[in-house]
Amino acid sequence: GAGVSQSPRYKVAKRGQDVALRCDPISGHVSLFWYQQALGQGPEFLTYFQNEAQLDKSGLPSDRFFAERPEGSVSTLKIQRTQQEDSAVYLCASRTTRFSNTGELFFGEGSRLTVL
Amino acid sequence: AQSVTQLGSHVSVSEGALVLLRCNYSSSVPPYLFWYVQYPNQGLQLLLKYTSAATLVKGINGFEAEFKKSETSFHLTKPSAHMSDAAEYFCAVSGAQKLVFGQGTRLTINP
Repeated sequence: GAGVSQSPRYKVAKRGQDVALRCDPISGHVSLFWYQQALGQGPEFLTYFQNEAQLDKSGLPSDRFFAERPEGSVSTLKIQRTQQEDSAVYLCASRTTRFSNTGELFFGEGSRLTVL
Repeated sequence: AQSVTQLGSHVSVSEGALVLLRCNYSSSVPPYLFWYVQYPNQGLQLLLKYTSAATLVKGINGFEAEFKKSETSFHLTKPSAHMSDAAEYFCAVSGAQKLVFGQGTRLTINP
């Protein structure tokens, strides 16, 4: 597809369940980002990949959060033993350039996670 | 570390009126600044960006923003609001390869 694709769009999990959220970036985009957006808040940075290398994971809130991009394309964000405070929209974004602070981020529509 | 503060979580204007959304930044280095728009249940879309060229930046949908170093501001404006402008607007600053976003301003347009 032409844009960033995320799945599932909506996920309801019981507290304690593991979830996996998928992101298909724009073809050829080198950089991939995950953000967490709580209700009524701005997106908060979680982690960043350059190809398959995870260069920054400083925003991951706990060791229950894990992200991977094994082949430098599709990425998966995994949350283990979900808690209610994990309820949020998880946004994926990609960027064509490598090391650039000026390049545009292209966002997917997000995966809305609700933990009961 | 870079950060942005958006003044006003909600702004309401009448259709045809001036839109002004405020953003102030904090940065230890010359900043790169962005405005994104988010429509309900959608991802963020870039409106415009400042990357140290012209201080007045024009974006899509008639929006523009002016970088003022002396005021550490990057306010977003549009001369005449349209109903389709109703959305959430986010200011962001670029630092260490990632974007740092503000809390957002919800823009409501009254007919």
